[in-house]
Amino acid sequence: DSGVTQTPKHLITATGQRVTLRCSPRSGDLSVYWYQQSLDQGLQFLIQYYNGEERAKGNILERFSAQQFPDLHSELNLSSLELGDSALYFCASSVWGGPQETQYFGPGTRLLVL
Amino acid sequence: KNEVEQSPQNLTAQEGEFITINCSYSVGISALHWLQQHPGGGIVSLFMLSSGKKKHGRLIATINIQEKHSSLHITASHPRDSAVYICAVTLPPNQFYFGTGTSLTVIP
Repeated sequence: DSGVTQTPKHLITATGQRVTLRCSPRSGDLSVYWYQQSLDQGLQFLIQYYNGEERAKGNILERFSAQQFPDLHSELNLSSLELGDSALYFCASSVWGGPQETQYFGPGTRLLVL
Repeated sequence: KNEVEQSPQNLTAQEGEFITINCSYSVGISALHWLQQHPGGGIVSLFMLSSGKKKHGRLIATINIQEKHSSLHITASHPRDSAVYICAVTLPPNQFYFGTGTSLTVIP
């Protein structure tokens, strides 16, 4: 158990809908990362937050947005969902968000868009 | 173009064999990470390397910064090592790129 929690574990929805994925980092970790893992694209970095502020942005679509709240939990919002958004979404956390830190991954949220 | 290349894509070994997984990258990096993903999907970070070599139990990871290459070795492999091993690099300032993974199956 990494100490990172993600909810929900599974999500089934329809095209055009909007969903919110939630992540709680390990106790004491200030930085949260979001990743997408799909069959055709593999793992991709979406976005990183540190202590409530956006620190780095990867291949995150404009239809997707995220934020980190004062209690350090984070939410990833996916809107106007398409079939191709079906994937595993992972959240990870680290203490300071530095490039040489170990990241601790949550169990993931499996999203299926029908 | 993929910043991170892994080989082999698939690997089957007999229990007890020495295993090597390779990772090459094309640009300057801040760090390289080896991750393990089990069939259930969970991801565990095995190593973070910025230089040299690290060892944890039967796992050894090395990196050669000049050659832009890293290897993950598993000594005395065991069926419980069966998983997907993923190489990831951090590019300055804070961008992350992943290899496509090596699927390892260790047969008893």
